Amino acid sequence: DADVTQTPRNRITKTGKRIMLECSQTKGHDRMYWYRQDPGLGLRLIYYSFDVKDINKGEISDGYSVSRQAQAKFSLSLESAIPNQTALYFCATSDRGQGAGETQYFGPGTRLLVL
Amino acid sequence: RKEVEQDPGPFNVPEGATVAFNCTYSNSASQSFFWYRQDCRKEPKLLMSVYSSGNEDGRFTAQLNRASQYISLLIRDSKLSDSATYLCVVTGDSSYKLIFGSGTRLLVRP
Repeated sequence: DADVTQTPRNRITKTGKRIMLECSQTKGHDRMYWYRQDPGLGLRLIYYSFDVKDINKGEISDGYSVSRQAQAKFSLSLESAIPNQTALYFCATSDRGQGAGETQYFGPGTRLLVL
Repeated sequence: RKEVEQDPGPFNVPEGATVAFNCTYSNSASQSFFWYRQDCRKEPKLLMSVYSSGNEDGRFTAQLNRASQYISLLIRDSKLSDSATYLCVVTGDSSYKLIFGSGTRLLVRP
Protein backbone atom coordinates (compact mmCIF):
# COMPACT_ATOMS: atom_id res chain seq x y z
CA ASP A 1 0.00 0.00 0.00
CA ALA A 2 1.12 3.54 -0.76
CA ASP A 3 2.47 5.53 2.18
CA VAL A 4 0.82 8.78 1.07
CA THR A 5 -2.59 8.61 -0.56
CA GLN A 6 -4.74 11.30 -2.09
CA THR A 7 -8.42 11.34 -2.98
CA PRO A 8 -9.87 11.96 -5.43
CA ARG A 9 -7.25 11.31 -8.10
CA ASN A 10 -9.14 13.28 -10.70
CA ARG A 11 -11.92 15.81 -10.32
CA ILE A 12 -13.86 18.07 -12.61
CA THR A 13 -15.90 20.82 -11.00
CA LYS A 14 -17.58 24.06 -11.90
CA THR A 15 -16.70 27.62 -11.00
CA GLY A 16 -18.06 28.56 -7.61
CA LYS A 17 -18.28 25.03 -6.24
CA ARG A 18 -16.68 24.00 -2.99
CA ILE A 19 -14.28 21.12 -3.26
CA MET A 20 -12.13 19.20 -0.81
CA LEU A 21 -9.00 17.23 -1.58
CA GLU A 22 -7.90 14.71 1.00
CA CYS A 23 -4.53 13.33 1.97
CA SER A 24 -3.67 10.47 4.28
CA GLN A 25 -0.30 9.05 5.27
CA THR A 26 0.93 5.97 7.06
CA LYS A 27 4.53 7.11 7.39
CA GLY A 28 4.03 8.50 10.87
CA HIS A 29 5.45 11.87 9.84
CA ASP A 30 4.56 15.03 11.70
CA ARG A 31 4.86 17.43 8.80
CA MET A 32 2.45 17.61 5.90
CA TYR A 33 2.28 19.91 2.89
CA TRP A 34 0.04 20.85 0.00
CA TYR A 35 1.52 21.95 -3.33
CA ARG A 36 0.17 22.77 -6.71
CA GLN A 37 1.97 22.20 -10.00
CA ASP A 38 1.24 24.09 -13.19
CA PRO A 39 2.83 23.49 -16.60
CA GLY A 40 6.17 25.28 -16.90
CA LEU A 41 6.23 26.16 -13.22
CA GLY A 42 7.81 24.42 -10.28
CA LEU A 43 5.74 23.04 -7.45
CA ARG A 44 4.46 25.88 -5.29
CA LEU A 45 3.64 25.53 -1.61
CA ILE A 46 0.03 26.29 -0.62
CA TYR A 47 -0.08 25.34 3.08
CA TYR A 48 1.94 23.28 5.50
CA SER A 49 1.37 21.82 8.93
CA PHE A 50 3.81 20.63 11.59
CA ASP A 51 1.17 19.04 13.78
CA VAL A 52 -2.57 19.07 14.35
CA LYS A 53 -2.46 22.49 16.00
CA ASP A 54 0.07 24.09 13.71
CA ILE A 55 -1.07 25.33 10.29
CA ASN A 56 0.93 27.76 8.17
CA LYS A 57 0.37 29.57 4.91
CA GLY A 58 2.70 28.90 2.06
CA GLU A 59 3.56 30.90 -1.01
CA ILE A 60 0.11 30.83 -2.62
CA SER A 61 -2.57 30.31 0.04
CA ASP A 62 -5.20 32.76 -1.25
CA GLY A 63 -8.38 30.94 -2.25
CA TYR A 64 -7.46 27.82 -0.27
CA SER A 65 -7.98 26.56 3.27
CA VAL A 66 -6.77 23.46 5.06
CA SER A 67 -7.66 21.22 7.96
CA ARG A 68 -5.36 18.86 9.86
CA GLN A 69 -7.84 16.41 11.27
CA ALA A 70 -5.24 14.07 12.71
CA GLN A 71 -1.52 13.48 12.43
CA ALA A 72 -2.20 11.29 9.42
CA LYS A 73 -4.77 13.45 7.62
CA PHE A 74 -4.47 16.83 5.95
CA SER A 75 -7.19 18.14 3.67
CA LEU A 76 -7.21 21.07 1.26
CA SER A 77 -10.38 22.98 0.44
CA LEU A 78 -11.25 25.34 -2.34
CA GLU A 79 -14.20 27.28 -0.95
CA SER A 80 -15.27 28.67 -4.29
CA ALA A 81 -13.32 27.15 -7.14
CA ILE A 82 -12.18 29.29 -10.05
CA PRO A 83 -10.68 28.21 -13.39
CA ASN A 84 -7.13 29.36 -12.55
CA GLN A 85 -7.12 26.80 -9.75
CA THR A 86 -7.01 24.12 -12.42
CA ALA A 87 -3.76 22.30 -11.64
CA LEU A 88 -2.15 19.14 -10.35
CA TYR A 89 -2.20 19.08 -6.55
CA PHE A 90 0.27 17.13 -4.46
CA CYS A 91 0.30 16.31 -0.79
CA ALA A 92 3.66 15.58 0.82
CA THR A 93 5.03 14.54 4.20
CA SER A 94 8.35 14.84 5.94
CA ASP A 95 9.84 13.75 9.22
CA ARG A 96 10.91 16.35 11.72
CA GLY A 97 14.45 16.16 12.96
CA GLN A 98 16.27 14.93 9.90
CA GLY A 99 18.62 17.86 10.17
CA ALA A 100 19.40 19.95 7.15
CA GLY A 101 17.19 19.24 4.19
CA GLU A 102 14.19 17.10 5.03
CA THR A 103 13.21 14.58 2.39
CA GLN A 104 9.61 15.03 1.36
CA TYR A 105 7.47 12.10 0.23
CA PHE A 106 4.70 12.89 -2.20
CA GLY A 107 1.28 11.43 -2.79
CA PRO A 108 0.21 10.46 -6.32
CA GLY A 109 -1.49 13.79 -6.97
CA THR A 110 -5.00 15.03 -7.70
CA ARG A 111 -5.70 16.41 -11.12
CA LEU A 112 -8.31 19.17 -10.78
CA LEU A 113 -10.14 20.85 -13.62
CA VAL A 114 -12.36 23.85 -12.85
CA LEU A 115 -14.74 24.75 -15.65
CA ARG B 1 14.02 36.09 -11.61
CA LYS B 2 13.03 32.57 -10.57
CA GLU B 3 14.57 31.29 -7.35
CA VAL B 4 15.62 28.06 -9.07
CA GLU B 5 16.26 28.06 -12.79
CA GLN B 6 16.59 25.06 -15.07
CA ASP B 7 16.74 24.53 -18.82
CA PRO B 8 13.36 22.95 -19.60
CA GLY B 9 14.80 20.83 -22.44
CA PRO B 10 13.88 18.38 -23.73
CA PHE B 11 17.26 16.72 -23.89
CA ASN B 12 16.91 13.95 -26.47
CA VAL B 13 19.77 11.44 -26.20
CA PRO B 14 20.43 7.88 -27.40
CA GLU B 15 20.72 4.99 -24.99
CA GLY B 16 24.18 4.78 -23.52
CA ALA B 17 24.86 8.51 -23.79
CA THR B 18 26.09 10.71 -20.99
CA VAL B 19 23.94 13.73 -20.28
CA ALA B 20 24.31 16.62 -17.85
CA PHE B 21 21.76 19.02 -16.41
CA ASN B 22 22.50 22.27 -14.68
CA CYS B 23 20.54 24.39 -12.29
CA THR B 24 21.16 27.79 -10.70
CA TYR B 25 19.63 29.13 -7.52
CA SER B 26 19.33 32.67 -6.26
CA ASN B 27 19.31 32.36 -2.47
CA SER B 28 22.87 32.21 -1.19
CA ALA B 29 21.51 31.14 2.22
CA SER B 30 20.14 27.86 0.87
CA GLN B 31 21.62 24.98 2.84
CA SER B 32 20.37 21.80 1.24
CA PHE B 33 20.06 20.70 -2.35
CA PHE B 34 18.36 17.83 -4.09
CA TRP B 35 17.47 16.31 -7.39
CA TYR B 36 13.99 14.83 -7.66
CA ARG B 37 12.70 12.78 -10.55
CA GLN B 38 9.16 13.11 -11.86
CA ASP B 39 7.67 10.72 -14.38
CA CYS B 40 4.85 11.95 -16.59
CA ARG B 41 1.69 12.58 -14.54
CA LYS B 42 3.30 11.07 -11.44
CA GLU B 43 4.57 12.41 -8.14
CA PRO B 44 8.12 13.71 -7.66
CA LYS B 45 10.48 11.26 -5.97
CA LEU B 46 13.84 11.99 -4.42
CA LEU B 47 16.66 10.93 -6.72
CA MET B 48 19.54 12.13 -4.61
CA SER B 49 20.73 14.78 -2.25
CA VAL B 50 23.59 17.00 -3.36
CA TYR B 51 26.56 17.54 -1.08
CA SER B 52 29.30 20.15 -1.26
CA SER B 53 31.92 17.49 -1.90
CA GLY B 54 29.91 16.00 -4.74
CA ASN B 55 28.31 12.60 -4.57
CA GLU B 56 27.64 9.62 -6.75
CA ASP B 57 24.93 7.00 -6.79
CA GLY B 58 25.53 4.41 -9.46
CA ARG B 59 25.25 6.11 -12.84
CA PHE B 60 24.25 9.44 -11.28
CA THR B 61 26.66 12.10 -10.08
CA ALA B 62 25.63 15.36 -8.45
CA GLN B 63 27.83 18.39 -7.91
CA LEU B 64 27.33 21.63 -5.99
CA ASN B 65 29.18 24.88 -6.52
CA ARG B 66 28.17 27.23 -3.72
CA ALA B 67 30.29 30.12 -4.97
CA SER B 68 28.49 30.11 -8.32
CA GLN B 69 25.18 28.93 -6.83
CA TYR B 70 25.07 26.13 -9.33
CA ILE B 71 24.05 22.47 -9.11
CA SER B 72 24.59 19.78 -11.69
CA LEU B 73 23.43 16.23 -12.36
CA LEU B 74 25.35 13.88 -14.62
CA ILE B 75 23.79 10.67 -15.90
CA ARG B 76 26.11 8.13 -17.47
CA ASP B 77 25.11 5.22 -19.70
CA SER B 78 21.55 6.51 -20.12
CA LYS B 79 18.75 3.97 -20.05
CA LEU B 80 15.31 4.21 -21.62
CA SER B 81 13.94 4.17 -18.08
CA ASP B 82 15.80 7.39 -17.29
CA SER B 83 13.29 9.29 -19.45
CA ALA B 84 11.61 11.67 -17.02
CA THR B 85 11.65 15.25 -15.79
CA TYR B 86 14.42 16.09 -13.33
CA LEU B 87 13.60 18.71 -10.73
CA CYS B 88 16.30 20.76 -9.07
CA VAL B 89 15.27 21.56 -5.49
CA VAL B 90 16.85 23.78 -2.85
CA THR B 91 15.80 24.70 0.64
CA GLY B 92 14.54 28.19 1.29
CA ASP B 93 14.83 30.03 4.58
CA SER B 94 14.08 26.84 6.53
CA SER B 95 15.06 23.21 6.05
CA TYR B 96 11.46 22.16 5.46
CA LYS B 97 10.73 24.79 2.78
CA LEU B 98 11.63 23.36 -0.58
CA ILE B 99 11.95 25.57 -3.64
CA PHE B 100 11.42 23.64 -6.85
CA GLY B 101 12.74 24.37 -10.28
CA SER B 102 10.33 23.80 -13.15
CA GLY B 103 12.30 20.78 -14.30
CA THR B 104 14.43 19.53 -17.18
CA ARG B 105 12.87 16.92 -19.41
CA LEU B 106 15.01 14.01 -20.57
CA LEU B 107 14.07 11.67 -23.41
CA VAL B 108 16.27 8.64 -23.97
CA ARG B 109 15.71 7.01 -27.34
CA PRO B 110 16.61 3.44 -28.42
